[in-house]
Amino acid sequence: GQNIDQPTEMTATEGAIVQINCTYQTSGFNGLFWYQQHAGEAPTFLSYNVLDGLEEKGRFSSFLSRSKGYSYLLLKELQMKDSASYLCAVRDSDYKLSFGAGTTVTVRA
Amino acid sequence: IAGITQAPTSQILAAGRRMTLRCTQDMRHNAMYWYRQDLGLGLRLIHYSNTAGTTGKGEVPDGYSVSRANTDDFPLTLASAVPSQTSVYFCASSEGRDPDTQYFGPGTRLTVL
Repeated sequence: GQNIDQPTEMTATEGAIVQINCTYQTSGFNGLFWYQQHAGEAPTFLSYNVLDGLEEKGRFSSFLSRSKGYSYLLLKELQMKDSASYLCAVRDSDYKLSFGAGTTVTVRA
Repeated sequence: IAGITQAPTSQILAAGRRMTLRCTQDMRHNAMYWYRQDLGLGLRLIHYSNTAGTTGKGEVPDGYSVSRANTDDFPLTLASAVPSQTSVYFCASSEGRDPDTQYFGPGTRLTVL
């Protein structure tokens, strides 16, 4: 099984940077995903890491350390529209996703 | 391109009633999934299907059944609804090959009274 931990809430100012950490314990690791979910909407795919290191996609970056069971999602130049919940999900050796409870990010003007 | 559609958008249901949540995708994805999302618990896998004709149990399958008669459709049935099944239900699909990213439908908000 999987045990995935991420902070419940974070608040940041427009234009700032926020880092959302995710730690996991897994019986088999086969990739880590980050999703964004606005209130009342479906999760949408942000990033995927399967090897150690940093993946950059515009204002969003995701980092993975498999030996430490750790990932983070970095959101730069925060905009009001970035206010959402961010879900960390770990894929196991059976290709099934287990999700963390999500981190609600509030961006303030 | 519609992607994934779910119906109904929301439903209020009396306990003990039977209910089928519909999910259709037009991406020709091999794999499909049903999740429920509850406050503070995150998304939990109910059932999945790796390809048409096959299904499997996820983390919380009790009280739910699925079928996968073809590639596009993956209905979820609650045979006799109970209040603990009040939740938001999301259907998702993926190609079934790396990176196998899952894409989600808009969700169904179900309330069982």
